[in-house]
Amino acid sequence: QKEVEQDPGPLSVPEGAIVSLNCTYSNSAFQYFMWYRQYSRKGPELLMYTYSSGNKEDGRFTAQVDKSSKYISLFIRDSQPSDSATYLCAMRSTGTASKLTFGTGTRLQVTL
Amino acid sequence: ETGVTQTPRHLVMGMTNKKSLKCEQHLGHNAMYWYKQSAKKPLELMFVYNFKEQTENNSVPSRFSPECPNSSHLFLHLHTLQPEDSALYLCASSQNPNSVSTDTQYFGPGTRLTVL
Repeated sequence: QKEVEQDPGPLSVPEGAIVSLNCTYSNSAFQYFMWYRQYSRKGPELLMYTYSSGNKEDGRFTAQVDKSSKYISLFIRDSQPSDSATYLCAMRSTGTASKLTFGTGTRLQVTL
Repeated sequence: ETGVTQTPRHLVMGMTNKKSLKCEQHLGHNAMYWYKQSAKKPLELMFVYNFKEQTENNSVPSRFSPECPNSSHLFLHLHTLQPEDSALYLCASSQNPNSVSTDTQYFGPGTRLTVL
């Protein structure tokens, strides 16, 4: 079993839709959770960073962590064609700041 | 230049060649990383350097040899690679992984490597 599971997609939605991206994980030691966005032919860029359980909002993006279910989500409101990219979840425990565990990424396509 | 830069952006090499990938960070960070990204696989951490000292080697074959001459530069020397080594090689940097609660990694654009 992989430590982090993420549906690879592709996920295709119309412009303006609410997008929900998810990851599940098995390691209960994970405390820090990140979402990265990766455009084609680019490196990943950090979108959201959360600690432990709860919600965090930044503009059209909301990150949600449910540690009891070992489940994290990224919601994108009013999705735009410029949101078309691969979204990677990443997480780490408290003792290993350098060691991130990534999901495989979900490819999102927002259509006009 | 800002952020994390990598050169070359694309590289094609034969199995007997020797080449090097270069990474430079302009963020004043103290830690640098090499990752391998293959299709449909999660990013794989290869090496970590913290204050120029190698702190992580994730069971990487010896045909990959990292070098970190200072906190701003990181190299990955390649020799006698295999076709399965073809992938996107990403460099990242972070301020200080010893500051567990706040440390975040910033990535470069990657080098697309093809081994023939």
